[in-house]
Amino acid sequence: QSVLTQPPSASGTPGQRVTISCSGSTFNVGINTVNWYQQLPGAAPKLLIYNNNQRPSGVPDRFSGSKSGTSASLAISGLQSEDEADYYCAAWDGSLHVWVFGGGTKLTVL
Amino acid sequence: EVQLVESGGGLVQPGGSLRLSCAASGFSFSSYDMHWVRQATGKGLEWISAIGTSGNTYYPDSVRGRFTISRENAKNSLYLQMNSLRAEDTAVYYCAREPHGEGFDYWGQGTLVTVSS
Repeated sequence: QSVLTQPPSASGTPGQRVTISCSGSTFNVGINTVNWYQQLPGAAPKLLIYNNNQRPSGVPDRFSGSKSGTSASLAISGLQSEDEADYYCAAWDGSLHVWVFGGGTKLTVL
Repeated sequence: EVQLVESGGGLVQPGGSLRLSCAASGFSFSSYDMHWVRQATGKGLEWISAIGTSGNTYYPDSVRGRFTISRENAKNSLYLQMNSLRAEDTAVYYCAREPHGEGFDYWGQGTLVTVSS
């Protein structure tokens, strides 16, 4: 069982907007920034969002992140078939002194 | 171009040891915190160790005392010494770079470790 809670699956049709939630506690999401990773099938993870809402160079602005209290969200607008992947949230846990990941959300583009 | 290339994975018996390496290129290796993250087949990501630029190390309880992370800046290399391996350590092991506080921005392609008799 992961310290950060994500829905196991999400889906949408091309062009739609989907959101993926990440729920934590006061020790991780509540006091530290959240990062999001995209993992395409058979590939290594890729940093998608850092510091709650910052996009690395090269990440399309269709991807956005937000955080409120002990929850964070990843939003993908204008959904495309190539967005079909697993998405993970992560944060430093100040109580456990470890990096914690969510269990991952498998996004299906219908 | 930033590159991280892991090596050293393979098949090992329970209780055995293995040393993973991660060769870094394309950036000032000594200036970055580095991490190892693993992923069992069909499962999620699990962070297993970190080493700071000053050599400070961090581990979760699941591997503390069995795994040791180290770095050799002169060789632009990161290592993970894994002892007392268990079946549940079977996974793909990734090394990743962290510009402090900005997420794990580059990952290697991973190396597979299989612990089985």
